[in-house]
Amino acid sequence: NAGVTQTPKFQVLKTGQSMTLQCAQDMNHEYMSWYRQDPGMGLRLIHYSVGAGITDQGEVPNGYNVSRSTTEDFPLRLLSAAPSQTSVYFCASSLLQGLSPLHFGNGTRLTVT
Amino acid sequence: KNEVEQSPQNLTAQEGEFITINCSYSVGISALHWLQQHPGGGIVSLFMLSSGKKKHGRLIATINIQEKHSSLHITASHPRDSAVYICAVRGQGGSEKLVFGKGTKLTVNP
Repeated sequence: NAGVTQTPKFQVLKTGQSMTLQCAQDMNHEYMSWYRQDPGMGLRLIHYSVGAGITDQGEVPNGYNVSRSTTEDFPLRLLSAAPSQTSVYFCASSLLQGLSPLHFGNGTRLTVT
Repeated sequence: KNEVEQSPQNLTAQEGEFITINCSYSVGISALHWLQQHPGGGIVSLFMLSSGKKKHGRLIATINIQEKHSSLHITASHPRDSAVYICAVRGQGGSEKLVFGKGTKLTVNP
């Protein structure tokens, strides 16, 4: 079992560039989510999905897009990167939304210059 | 909106000490999670609880639903326990999204 696989580990973008953060899980979890972690702040929910074909916005969705075409994959897209999106991003999955243990990816450190 | 407050923000202890980290929240919840973030950045789930107490090795988590408060205890602390400990709560009825505290940074010195 690989658990939650998140790539890349590090990324540097220029303002205006686009990119996709990949997240895949092999535990057949229905719930997947993306968070950003900034210094002095707790993890903040960007987008989440309760199953294939279903996505919804979290606390800080602006500037990010997601899709969930399969149970396994939940990519996060930055359409036009901004310096304010410099952060550490985590993908997480669980069997049930908030009612079962969370499994996190290893994180992506993104810098936008 | 549920607010989650953790205390203390930073905690330094000597090896062997008993550690307590606190988490308070403002509205009713259906579950509370304790997570550990290692110095390298990875996050692992320690406990999920909705009532009572859970124990795993030297770690104990308790929750008091009436007082909207949870504690994470570490007995016989060790330098490898040094990490950031994060509390997260799941709301009730229409508020199922997890809300996270800012974390408590624990340093255990040998």
